[in-house]
Amino acid sequence: SQQGEEDPQALSIQEGENATMNCSYKTSINNLQWYRQNSGRGLVHLILIRSNEREKHSGRLRVTLDTSKKSSSLLITASRAADTASYYCATPTQGGSEKLVFGKGTKLTVNP
Amino acid sequence: DTAVSQTPKYLVTQMGNDKSIKCEQNLGHDTMYWYKQDSKKFLKIMFSYNNKELIINETVPNRFSPKSPDKAHLNLHINSLELGDSAVYFCASSQLAGESTQYFGPGTRLTVL
Repeated sequence: SQQGEEDPQALSIQEGENATMNCSYKTSINNLQWYRQNSGRGLVHLILIRSNEREKHSGRLRVTLDTSKKSSSLLITASRAADTASYYCATPTQGGSEKLVFGKGTKLTVNP
Repeated sequence: DTAVSQTPKYLVTQMGNDKSIKCEQNLGHDTMYWYKQDSKKFLKIMFSYNNKELIINETVPNRFSPKSPDKAHLNLHINSLELGDSAVYFCASSQLAGESTQYFGPGTRLTVL
């Protein structure tokens, strides 16, 4: 069954604005990952945050994790047209199995 | 250097045919995966191999058969193709199962007519 749910399903902003996407999950996790998928391409890993971390930064990306609420957010600051893509959160299934479960994704459009 | 490559990129075929998709990774990873992404962009794992051994086999029709000749290759063979098999199929690899980052191939868009 699906583990992560991204919110919103679609987001349209202007270049230079910030974009925030949220992910909720159902079971305990030891990490949560965010991926980006450009149209017609494979997924690209952006960032991994472990369950004992609350916040992580990578360039213009900021990820937070709240394990008490079982939620994570991805913030893209000073967005660019090239950030237009779908963004997915993914979590390993419980028990440390080898399976990553992906949410349905947030489709971000950054208008120039 | 392409880390995870898939062939073909596009595959158009008739119902009932048998087809294969090939995947190769040059990252030295131990684990490889096949995912199916449907028209609603929902990405679901199908199979996972670790060092040529099948470790995940989701509820996938047995018309789908993965084959791993070595740990750098994971091919997907599909028998008796059906309309509902139309999707984009992604291969991925990771060093460790579960926690580690997965690296995805560019995808194979399969269209069954």
